Amino acid sequence: AQTVTQSQPEMSVQEAETVTLSCTYDTSESNYYLFWYKQPPSRQMILVIRQEAYKQQNATENRFSVNFQKAAKSFSLKISDSQLGDTAMYFCAFMKEDGGSQGNLIFGKGTKLSVKP
Amino acid sequence: DSGVTQTPKHLITATGQRVTLRCSPRSGDLSVYWYQQSLDQGLQFLIQYYNGEERAKGNILERFSAQQFPDLHSELNLSSLELGDSALYFCASSAGRGYEKLFFGSGTQLSVL
Repeated sequence: AQTVTQSQPEMSVQEAETVTLSCTYDTSESNYYLFWYKQPPSRQMILVIRQEAYKQQNATENRFSVNFQKAAKSFSLKISDSQLGDTAMYFCAFMKEDGGSQGNLIFGKGTKLSVKP
Repeated sequence: DSGVTQTPKHLITATGQRVTLRCSPRSGDLSVYWYQQSLDQGLQFLIQYYNGEERAKGNILERFSAQQFPDLHSELNLSSLELGDSALYFCASSAGRGYEKLFFGSGTQLSVL
């Protein structure tokens, strides 16, 4: 079975600084997808960034980038120029690529990020 | 706004009761997914429907059932409710198989007293 581990329950960062959230996963699959989702106080789950395991290039979305280390099964999220609106729970998630796992995201426990002014 | 609509936003009921949660996916999305978020279990995938047919099943209890109707909206039925069923229930939708972006609704907060 696949597992996703986020070892930092809480983190804080000063506005405009950079912060990195850690995520490790365990799987025997070779084809899969990794995601970071954000859940602000509004409770809405918002996709931050997505990575396909077969791509070596790290995904980036504006101020958000990942460091994907497939051999180490590590998938960290870097937030640059942190903004107050980045305050949220961040969830790392894994999805196998097979017909029976469509939409079956396996989530970590989350990291609560606070951006301080 | 994700375009996924869930009703009701809050639901308070008693143990042993049955409730129905409703989800309208984004326009054009054929897949609907249900997730449960609780303090002890975290976020868990329950079930997926694609164009009216069940496609994938996760940790969904036998007391729970779901369906997707011809107009693509979906309902999650929870019966014989227990205190432990109290959770935030999310619906999400996507255009295809779910490997791309899932759009989540705002959730239904269920409290079982």
